[in-house]
Amino acid sequence: QVQLQESGPGLVKPSETLSLTCTVSGGSISSYYWSWIRQPVGKGLEWVGRVYSSGATSYNPSLQSRVTMSVDTSKNQFSLKLSSVTAADTAIYYCVRGSSVPGKAYYFDSWGQGTLVTVSS
Amino acid sequence: DIHMTQPPSSLSTSVGDRVTITCRASQSISNFLNWYQQKPGKAPELLIYAASSLQSGVPSRFRGSGSGTDFTLTISSLQPEDSATYFCQQTFSTPWTFGQGTKVEI
Repeated sequence: QVQLQESGPGLVKPSETLSLTCTVSGGSISSYYWSWIRQPVGKGLEWVGRVYSSGATSYNPSLQSRVTMSVDTSKNQFSLKLSSVTAADTAIYYCVRGSSVPGKAYYFDSWGQGTLVTVSS
Repeated sequence: DIHMTQPPSSLSTSVGDRVTITCRASQSISNFLNWYQQKPGKAPELLIYAASSLQSGVPSRFRGSGSGTDFTLTISSLQPEDSATYFCQQTFSTPWTFGQGTKVEI
């Protein structure tokens, strides 16, 4: 069974760059989409963006100017960078695997446990 | 962006009750609708995908239905472990968006 684990700093200063890595174990990173989802504590879920195992990306337009995602298939990892952060970026960040039935469905079937990132000086 | 609405934000129920949670999309999303369950302090877990397909390992008391703009998640006989927040999500078009969640309290 595939497992995902987020890693990275839990505290980031305003205006700096948030950097997180997700390590995938128990399965290959190839042939799947990999997403980041964030959730301010006690609030709803926001899709940040996705990266395919080929490196192709798609970002939420609300964050597109600040987001970069990449994948390292040799390490079975993918990563998120979010620049110029503010307190509004404080949230639990989940890394997620996306599976699909072509033309019929796309869904998130495996989630990391989540990591809280706080933006504060 | 497609806006997902889930009224009400919370509901109080009892063990054994039949519970219905609704989700409405701001435009037609065919059946590109998923349901997730989230318990406090945990990551969401997939229950239903493509509006009505039960994810492997999910109890059969969970059932999804609907198409177009209106969708329903039904729990046929509520169990204590079903106390959680339930989110719908559309994957018809990016940015993929979630409903605000319905908290089911027992």
